[in-house]
Amino acid sequence: DAGVIQSPRHEVTEMGQEVTLRCKPISGHDYLFWYRQTMMRGLELLIYFNNNVPIDDSGMPEDRFSAKMPNASFSTLKIQPSEPRDSAVYFCASSLMSSGSYTGELFFGEGSRLTVL
Amino acid sequence: LAKTTQPISMDSYEGQEVNITCSHNNIATNDYITWYQQFPSQGPRFIIQGYKTKVTNEVASLFIPADRKSSTLSLPRVSLSDTAVYYCLVVLYNQGGKLIFGQGTELSVKP
Repeated sequence: DAGVIQSPRHEVTEMGQEVTLRCKPISGHDYLFWYRQTMMRGLELLIYFNNNVPIDDSGMPEDRFSAKMPNASFSTLKIQPSEPRDSAVYFCASSLMSSGSYTGELFFGEGSRLTVL
Repeated sequence: LAKTTQPISMDSYEGQEVNITCSHNNIATNDYITWYQQFPSQGPRFIIQGYKTKVTNEVASLFIPADRKSSTLSLPRVSLSDTAVYYCLVVLYNQGGKLIFGQGTELSVKP
């Protein structure tokens, strides 16, 4: 398996623009997580899904952020409008927890580095 | 919510054994302890997980006392490539295995 795939790897945009980050989890995994990492705040959990259903979005900073998982192989994190303080590395991770096969391992993608000017 | 506390940074030399201790006083019965490693510009990578006693794999060992209020990650004979941030986390099993990351321990291995 290719692992968790995120795109784009780097994005530079201007304040006010819409940003869409994409994630393809590992095939067969039933949990998907979005994290954000900054120097000041470290790794923050934004939202996570189970079987494509959002379970906990309490980490989403504000209404400008939204996430969807239309099917088991794709998720998006959208920021509209973007602000300079949204500049960070956004990680997607997936895991398999069903059928008693959970191992405690989250598989992270390589991240999308967002810079909002 | 089980919070973890670990040293902010540690220094070591190549070939030494490194032990990083983490406290998690409020760990729940169903929760596991897991450790992740993160290199610059990469996503965190799973190292090891345990519930109690000792777990060993090809990378590290994890020691967990009976009360489970702390754990120690042991890295045998570190090399320069082990320079990274190491995170101790409690796996919230009843919340989909959700991981809440703390600040981590920045390990610097010197020649």
